[in-house]
Amino acid sequence: ILNVEQSPQSLHVQEGDSTNFTCSFPSSNFYALHWYRWETAKSPEALFVMTLNGDEKKKGRISATLNTKEGYSYLYIKGSQPEDSATYLCAFSEGAQKLVFGQGTRLTINP
Amino acid sequence: GAVVSQHPSWVICKSGTSVKIECRSLDFQATTMFWYRQFPKQSLMLMATSNEGSKATYEQGVEKDKFLINHASLTLSTLTVTSAHPEDSSFYICSAGGSTDTQYFGPGTRLTVL
Repeated sequence: ILNVEQSPQSLHVQEGDSTNFTCSFPSSNFYALHWYRWETAKSPEALFVMTLNGDEKKKGRISATLNTKEGYSYLYIKGSQPEDSATYLCAFSEGAQKLVFGQGTRLTINP
Repeated sequence: GAVVSQHPSWVICKSGTSVKIECRSLDFQATTMFWYRQFPKQSLMLMATSNEGSKATYEQGVEKDKFLINHASLTLSTLTVTSAHPEDSSFYICSAGGSTDTQYFGPGTRLTVL
């Protein structure tokens, strides 16, 4: 059974502060690591698909890094804004299609 | 682009009835769609993979006769929960695969079986 762990489960951050959280996944049979942002009552939004060890991707104030040898990825948010409040999901895949999700990190930005 | 809709967004039904959930890719064609469910405080779990024009592939532990999946066109997949029972109450969400490895998700359906 593949196990994907995200930590912390929840996080409260003051507006303007930067934050980061972790996704741990199996280091064998790696194909891709996905990050999604999921706001309440909306569809999960794809942030990044990462495939190469050492890769770093950036989208505005959000960036992610990948270490496939040790099986972890970090998601960073710089200068948090209230609209960043959401649940952030990571998902590991061994192949092109099947995703195994973590439980998510619920981020709340306090104004 | 890459918008996926899901209908209904919530449904309440009586035990023993069947419920159909629709998943549509609105602005792209999806040869493959996926159905997940999420129980409280748990992660999204893949139930089945649906390929247009062929039978769905179910994950271990998911009853194919209870969760009927039809993917008759490149933009529509349906999940029918047959003879629903309270233990089937969950959040069901679909996704559609685009031209890359990214999956695009619908907003989900909250099913409550009384």
